[in-house]
Formats: sequence, C-alpha cells, structure tokens
Amino acid sequence: AQSVTQLGSHVSVSEGALVLLRCNYSSSVPPYLFWYVQYPNQGLQLLLKYTTGATLVKGINGFEAEFKKSETSFHLTKPSAHMSDAAEYFCAVSDGPSGGSYIPTFGRGTSLIVHP
Amino acid sequence: EPEVTQTPSHQVTQMGQEVILRCVPISNHLYFYWYRQILGQKVEFLVSFYNNEISEKSEIFDDQFSVERPDGSNFTLKIRSTKLEDSAMYFCASSAERMGTEAFFGQGTRLTVV
Repeated sequence: AQSVTQLGSHVSVSEGALVLLRCNYSSSVPPYLFWYVQYPNQGLQLLLKYTTGATLVKGINGFEAEFKKSETSFHLTKPSAHMSDAAEYFCAVSDGPSGGSYIPTFGRGTSLIVHP
Repeated sequence: EPEVTQTPSHQVTQMGQEVILRCVPISNHLYFYWYRQILGQKVEFLVSFYNNEISEKSEIFDDQFSVERPDGSNFTLKIRSTKLEDSAMYFCASSAERMGTEAFFGQGTRLTVV
C-alpha cells in the first residue's frame, strides 16, 4: 500500500522567494508520482507527474519536482514565487505498471501563502 | 478546454437523508472516480468506475454509497442515509487511460450534513 506525507500544512514565502513543498512517499513498487494544485473554488489541476525516465520533471507555471528514490521524496520547487501561486498543493502516489493499483493516494495538502 | 463539472457546488442535507452528487466527466474519458476530503484532512479515494462497473473501492465506500452512470454522460454518487461524518468536499475525476495518466478533477461539491 502506498502513502504520502506532506511536511507542513502551511508554507509561507515572500513574492520572488524560492518555493519548496515537501513530499515523501512510501510504496512497495516503483511509483508514479504527481503534484496537483487547487486554486480557490476550483478542482484539482495536474502540475506535473513522474512516471519513468528523467527524474527531474518540469510542470506548468514554472514548477518542477525531482524524484529521489534513495530519499523516497518528490519535493516541488519553483525558483521565484508569484502571488498567483497561492493555492493548495497536493502530492499523490500510485503504483507503476508493476503494481496492483493505479489509483492515486493523496497527501493532506500544503497551503502555499505568498506575501507581497 | 474540456473539464469535469460537478453539481451542486454546495449541498446541505439533514442527517438520514439521501443525497445524490452529480458529475459530468470529460466526454471521451473511460475511467471515473470519486474522492472526498474532510476538512483539514487528506484527499481520500472512494471508488473508481470503468466499463459500467466498479473497478476498485476503498473501505470508506460501504453499503451506504453507490455509483452509477445512468445516461452515458452523468456519473453520480449516492449516499443513502447521510451521517454527520459524511460532511466533506467530494471530488469527481475522470481519465482517458489507466496507468500513469492524468486524472481531471471537478471543482468539488461541498456536502454539509446537519
């Protein structure tokens, strides 16, 4: 069974500062990893995903994440925060092709607050 | 851009009442899901649906819950007799394929049981 831990329910940064949202997972098989974003009153939108290949994946809006198998992590970063990045961010994991379930398991979410 | 739509956006119901949450998935998608998020907690998987039947369900999805795709476009979640602890945001999602694919989520229905 998979699980996801997102460290910090809230992360506060200044506009222009580095954004780092942490995600650690556990999975008994090679995982697929996802980051979703939820803006107020909207649904979850995929930011980026890792399935196979390059461990550094780039997503929309300047975000990227690196899959580190040795650390079982998939942290989300953005070099320079923008006010419009304020939202709830969810990390999710699912089994890859060798696993039994493709259903993503989500973390609790991290609320990103961006100060002017 | 195609999107998943959910109605209503907010529903208030009395404990013990039946509720039906409605979703219109993206038209060419084949896999459908319901998730819920109790306030302050993580997004939890409820059920997945493919080829007109449930393909996976979690332990949360007990006999009080049911899903159906009544007319080839809508995908509904029914809670037969609501409890206070059913109060949550319910998300519908759909995807075109199964493995490693992107699931598109609706904006959610906030269910409040009083």
